[in-house]
Amino acid sequence: SAVISQKPSRDICQRGTSLTIQCQVDSQVTMMFWYRQQPGQSLTLIATANQGSEATYESGFVIDKFPISRPNLTFSTLTVSNMSPEDSSIYLCSVERQDGNTIYFGEGSWLTVV
Amino acid sequence: GDSVTQMEGPVTLSEEAFLTINCTYTATGYPSLFWYVQYPGEGLQLLLKATKADDKGSNKGFEATYRKETTSFHLEKGSVQVSDSAVYFCALRQTSGSRLTFGEGTQLTVNP
Repeated sequence: SAVISQKPSRDICQRGTSLTIQCQVDSQVTMMFWYRQQPGQSLTLIATANQGSEATYESGFVIDKFPISRPNLTFSTLTVSNMSPEDSSIYLCSVERQDGNTIYFGEGSWLTVV
Repeated sequence: GDSVTQMEGPVTLSEEAFLTINCTYTATGYPSLFWYVQYPGEGLQLLLKATKADDKGSNKGFEATYRKETTSFHLEKGSVQVSDSAVYFCALRQTSGSRLTFGEGTQLTVNP
């Protein structure tokens, strides 16, 4: 498996502000993904974080709202911009290692927007 | 497109009961299949996986067999414990580098 650290683990945010979530992996990985899990729901893919280039966003998610960076093979950030209560969710970083097709998840960042 | 369907929850069992959580999928080709578990207040952990037909994944007393003929990957455990209380997600993935497609999740509660 891979050790995936996310920061912050939890936060309460004011409406209209932005928050950046960091994801650090203990080894080089091929793929990094960002998922959202709304309360009581399953996981939805936001985007694939591409090293050194713009992320690939899924339908319904846009760069202005969820800018993503991936400056190297072990680190990525997701920003949730201009937050509203509807953005209250768990945001999960996930990775695929170079040695297989299994995806591993971090502990998640639990955001509440008030 | 690909999809995963899980049995509706929540599921409530007594300790030491037998567990089955049904999972069926729709997909082209031969995807890899996964079960993930989410304990209260935590992220997702990989529970087990199977990468080809008739493979059996197993871990922590849980098992699931990749059935191509019935497009199923049901999760089973012979004797559940209170500590197994969690949400269980079935998922599939077509190839390395592609996305995971998740089912809706099944909430399991085990009572002492």
